[in-house]
Amino acid sequence: DQQVKQNSPSLSVQEGRISILNCDYTNSMFDYFLWYKKYPAEGPTFLISISSIKDKNEDGRFTVFLNKSAKHLSLHIVPSQPGDSAVYFCAAQGNDYKLSFGAGTTVTVRA
Amino acid sequence: ETGVTQTPRHLVMGMTNKKSLKCEQHLGHNAMYWYKQSAKKPLELMFVYSLEERVENNSVPSRFSPECPNSSHLFLHLHTLQPEDSALYLCASSQDMALGSGANVLTFGAGSRLTVL
Repeated sequence: DQQVKQNSPSLSVQEGRISILNCDYTNSMFDYFLWYKKYPAEGPTFLISISSIKDKNEDGRFTVFLNKSAKHLSLHIVPSQPGDSAVYFCAAQGNDYKLSFGAGTTVTVRA
Repeated sequence: ETGVTQTPRHLVMGMTNKKSLKCEQHLGHNAMYWYKQSAKKPLELMFVYSLEERVENNSVPSRFSPECPNSSHLFLHLHTLQPEDSALYLCASSQDMALGSGANVLTFGAGSRLTVL
């Protein structure tokens, strides 16, 4: 039973425009949410996280929004750059150490 | 070397072979993990070790056998695998288990791409 879903397997965006990646979860016990970024032939690297006590967290060009009532979070990348082309994984954590991952969204930034 | 290092990066094996995947972390972390990533599927947690003790075996078949000789090294021993075991196997580490203390940020290795013929 998949508790974290990324329903868009891919996203293509023009350089300089906004990329919006979406993630939905089903477990109301999740209270931390993370985004990881993965380049080909490399492991996923941590990008940004948000606690359930917040609804927004910003780090440079990356902002994560959390809507607890909808069990939905999104990652905004503004402006998108060619180096942002990668696979992005959403992950959620409850009251233990385990992370539940989504299947990933492949972002392609077109020059 | 820094971070999490996995060897080999690529492995092809027959169903009757015995092989091992190796992971080494140079971060001084106390927890280490094995994840499996199949194509277009979420990362699946396989095993977790905290301070060299196994704390999680996520219903993994016995043909996968983990070993953690010390807090810096983690192995995954492979024996009589099936073609459906072909996947990317990712090792990760974290400072602690982060039980309710905040987001459990994992540092991943680059993975070992396994193909079972």
